[in-house]
Amino acid sequence: GQSLEQPSEVTAVEGAIVQINCTYQTSGFYGLSWYQQHDGGAPTFLSYNALDGLEETGRFSSFLSRSDSYGYLLLQELQMKDSASYFCAVFNSGYSTLTFGKGTMLLVSP
Amino acid sequence: NAGVTQTPKFQVLKTGQSMTLQCAQDMNHNSMYWYRQDPGMGLRLIYYSASEGTTDKGEVPNGYNVSRLNKREFSLRLESAAPSQTSVYFCASSRVYEQYFGPGTRLTVT
Repeated sequence: GQSLEQPSEVTAVEGAIVQINCTYQTSGFYGLSWYQQHDGGAPTFLSYNALDGLEETGRFSSFLSRSDSYGYLLLQELQMKDSASYFCAVFNSGYSTLTFGKGTMLLVSP
Repeated sequence: NAGVTQTPKFQVLKTGQSMTLQCAQDMNHNSMYWYRQDPGMGLRLIYYSASEGTTDKGEVPNGYNVSRLNKREFSLRLESAAPSQTSVYFCASSRVYEQYFGPGTRLTVT
């Protein structure tokens, strides 16, 4: 089966940089994704990494190291609106389904 | 283009009652999913449908049934609701590695 570990909560101040880590155990690896969910809202897709390295999308970047079964989401120039839960997720075989981590709640303070 | 829609948004059931949660997507996606989200548990897959006419069990299928009515619609049925099924239910559809979520149904079983 698949399992993912990520911190339950991270706090930071506006304008700072924060990194949310995710380690995974999986029988077959097809890629690591990140989703954002604001309180009371639906999850929304942020990024996907299939290969090692850093993927950048605006203020958000995602990193993957397949040899270490590890990835992280990097958020720069934090804004209050970035306060949300962030989930890492791995694909099961052939992109059929995703297994999600339990989520990291990010609290951004002024 | 509405994306993924779900009805109802809120529902209160008594133990033993039945109900069907409806989901529809207008993005012409083949794959659709039903998740439940409980505090501190992340998103857990109940059932999924990789294409019209097929359905498969996810991580937590007990107490639920699904129907893939056509390519657009995927419904989730609770035949005899139990308090343990109190949760937020999300429907999603996917294009390769990106999943799109509906707004959710908040279900309380008393």
